[in-house]
Amino acid sequence: GAVVSQHPSWVICKSGTSVKIECRSLDFQATTMFWYRQFPKQSLMLMATSNEGSKATYEQGVEKDKFLINHASLTLSTLTVTSAHPEDSSFYICSAYIGTDNQPQHFGDGTRLSIL
Amino acid sequence: AQRVTQPEKLLSVFKGAPVELKCNYSYSGSPELFWYVQYSRQRLQLLLRHISRESIKGFTADLNKGETSFHLKKPFAQEEDSAMYYCALGGAGSYQLTFGKGTKLSVIP
Repeated sequence: GAVVSQHPSWVICKSGTSVKIECRSLDFQATTMFWYRQFPKQSLMLMATSNEGSKATYEQGVEKDKFLINHASLTLSTLTVTSAHPEDSSFYICSAYIGTDNQPQHFGDGTRLSIL
Repeated sequence: AQRVTQPEKLLSVFKGAPVELKCNYSYSGSPELFWYVQYSRQRLQLLLRHISRESIKGFTADLNKGETSFHLKKPFAQEEDSAMYYCALGGAGSYQLTFGKGTKLSVIP
């Protein structure tokens, strides 16, 4: 089955640093990937849609300069949280769209980001 | 605007009892509805979608356009069913999903 790998699974860093999260489709090509944010005991909130070779489409209220998304290849999308602050601490999940199977999206394991 | 409502944050049932996880949606177009499940410490995975009209792990869900509902049901709950369940809405032909807030199902032995 289609596998989406997300790395790292957990990161702790100091306030003010930038953190990069990778999302890879391991056995398929994904022209479209999605980035979600999940607060404790809450639902997944779509942050942006990432299309290979073009700029990401951000949802309303998501800061483009804060959350940089790069989808440089058909198997890799990255989310960089720039100058992270404690309020950016959250669980970030990526997913990928294949388009040829019966699932709209395949999800990664998520990355827990803790900013001190 | 698309919206998915799961009214119950937590649902506790005894093993062997019937389960119904409620989901209502709001969408002006032709909806596609999904149920995703997230077991403890695992990734989100698709449980079933309405167009498949199949039963997965004993769970079924019927799309009721009149009531704009897509409730998830299982006649006899098992302990291994304990997990977070998310109802999701997508537009026809669209791969974007809107998720409900999720319901935590706890099956009591």
